[in-house]
Order: sequence, then structure tokens, then C-alpha cells
Amino acid sequence: VQLVESGGGLVQPGRSLRLSCAASGFTSDDYAMHWVRQAPGKGLEWVSGISWNSGTIGYADSVKGRFTISRDNAKNSLYLQMTSLRAEDTALYYCAKDISYHTPHYYYMDVWGKGTTVTVSS
Amino acid sequence: NFMLTQPHSVSESPGKTVTISCTRSSGSIASNYVQWYQQRPGSAPTIVIYEDNERPSGVPDRFSGSIDSSSNSASLTISGLKTEDEADYYCQSYDSSNQVFGGGTKLTVL
Repeated sequence: VQLVESGGGLVQPGRSLRLSCAASGFTSDDYAMHWVRQAPGKGLEWVSGISWNSGTIGYADSVKGRFTISRDNAKNSLYLQMTSLRAEDTALYYCAKDISYHTPHYYYMDVWGKGTTVTVSS
Repeated sequence: NFMLTQPHSVSESPGKTVTISCTRSSGSIASNYVQWYQQRPGSAPTIVIYEDNERPSGVPDRFSGSIDSSSNSASLTISGLKTEDEADYYCQSYDSSNQVFGGGTKLTVL
């Protein structure tokens, strides 16, 4: 079971970036998925989650209205579209698999990727 | 939304036992399962306790979890401390459509 994030980089404040997460070793479209971030030297912060069929989607207040989570089950992939980026969005972004299987809810993460770094700076 | 509060740091000697607490600010600690993640420097988190007190395969039985409704808190206990246990530990729980992490506890084994 493996999750590999990509799409991070250096971006100016106010610009957009799209992160991707490729899943392998399991059928990701059966499970809820999450994005979790960690600012330099800080703790873990949940960013967004999506149920297996995209029927339930949630966002942290800090990103609501700016970030959009989506998934393409045919490609076994998860995405995070980030707009109006701010300096405080600078972090390592992890993709994580939830234990929730074919339910409208998500519960907790059991598999994590290694993360992709997003730096927002002019 | 609720918050989970952890001590910023704890330290203990090898071979000893340490307990890390995680207090829920509102709502019952028993209403949703609590998980614990270990994060070593430069690595992604890994789960060491799920559903309050269950250990994933591969996690030593030196790791145990519990909840206490009277204090509305969860605890991670690590016995027989080893230097390899030195890491950051995060508690986590959830409600309806949100996930909540504690602020993390840095465990130093010295």
C-alpha cells in the first residue's frame, strides 16, 4: 500500500497550485481519503477529507472557500486544488487513506504518503 | 468543533514508563474513537494506537492506549522505553465531518 504526493513547489501569494496523490497497492476508490498538512516545526493539521464516492466532503475552517478536494477513482488519484494561497499555507502536505470503506463518513488515517512541500512566498 | 490538548513535551529514561495525555475540550471523549500517531524526525506519521486501545500489527505491546471519561481524556502509555521511541506523538479524533489532531507531544528518551 503506497501513497505518493506530487505537485508541490514555490508559489507566490494569491496564486494557485494543484496537488495530486497517486495510490497503489489497494483500490483507493473504496476508501475515504484526506489531506493533512504540517507547517515547518509545527504539528499536524487536517486540511480536507472526502468519502469514497465524494458524497461527504469536509474542510478545515482555515482553507474553506479556497481549497477544493476531489478524486478520480478511475485513476486511483486524489487531488487538492489550492487557490488564493497565503504564506500561512506553507507546509508539507500529506495524503492519507482513511479506514472508512464504502461509508458516507470518514474516521481516521491508517496509511500516509511521504508528503509534498508547498512554499508560498514572493 | 472540539480541541484536543496534549502536553508539549515529556521526557523519561530508557526502561521506564511514560504516559502522554490528550484532553478533549467539549463533547465526550468516548463519543468518537481516539487514535495515536508517532512521527519520527523527517518521517511521515504512523499509527500506533487506533480505536482508543487497539494496536496495529507490528506495533510492540509496550504501546497501549486508554480513555478516561471522568477526565474526558485519552492516554498513550509506553512501557520499557527505548531510545527509538523518541518522537513526536499526536492524538487524533473526529466528529461528523471533521478531523481533529492534538498539538503533539515531543517524547525525549534520555
